[in-house]
Amino acid sequence: NAGVTQTPKFRILKIGQSMTLQCAQDMNHNYMYWYRQDPGMGLKLIYYSVGAGITDKGEVPNGYNVSRSTTEDFPLRLELAAPSQTSVYFCASRLGQSTDTQYFGPGTRLTVL
Amino acid sequence: QQPVQSPQAVILREGEDAVINCSSSKALYSVHWYRQKHGEAPVFLMILLKGGEQKGHDKISASFNEKKQQSSLYLTASQLSYSGTYFCGTDPRETSGSRLTFGEGTQLTVNP
Repeated sequence: NAGVTQTPKFRILKIGQSMTLQCAQDMNHNYMYWYRQDPGMGLKLIYYSVGAGITDKGEVPNGYNVSRSTTEDFPLRLELAAPSQTSVYFCASRLGQSTDTQYFGPGTRLTVL
Repeated sequence: QQPVQSPQAVILREGEDAVINCSSSKALYSVHWYRQKHGEAPVFLMILLKGGEQKGHDKISASFNEKKQQSSLYLTASQLSYSGTYFCGTDPRETSGSRLTFGEGTQLTVNP
């Protein structure tokens, strides 16, 4: 099992550009999450999904969009990138219940200049 | 609502003990503890459930007091490898819409 994988590892964007951060898991987990982590700070939930076709907003959804067409994939779309979106983005997944372990991907380090 | 972690930072000598606290203003079903090394993803340590249980993992253990809505992580006889930032993630839900809200983290440094 590869677990949770994310691509790319690093990316530099110019202000106003768009991009998609990819996330995939091979553990057949129902729940998937996107977090952002600013330097020296905790993890803030952007969006999450409880299954294919179902997504919902987290604490900081503005400027982002998600879709979940399959159980395995949960891409995060940034439209019109802004310097405030410079951060490390982590994707995570878990089977479904509060008692289940949540696994994190290795992260994508994004810089917007 | 984000849980509050204390202390924000702690510096230890190898072999010393530390306690990290995590408090919530909401009733909780579970508390999850993670450790993150610089430049890496958070790594799972343990889950504690409503019911006030205690868990151990080598020389790291934790407790969960659901009445006080508080969890504590105990690091005993610390090793250099314990250095990193510790996060608690809290969840008031058992199943539907289950998601973790993380504290700001406690930075632990263990020196030789």
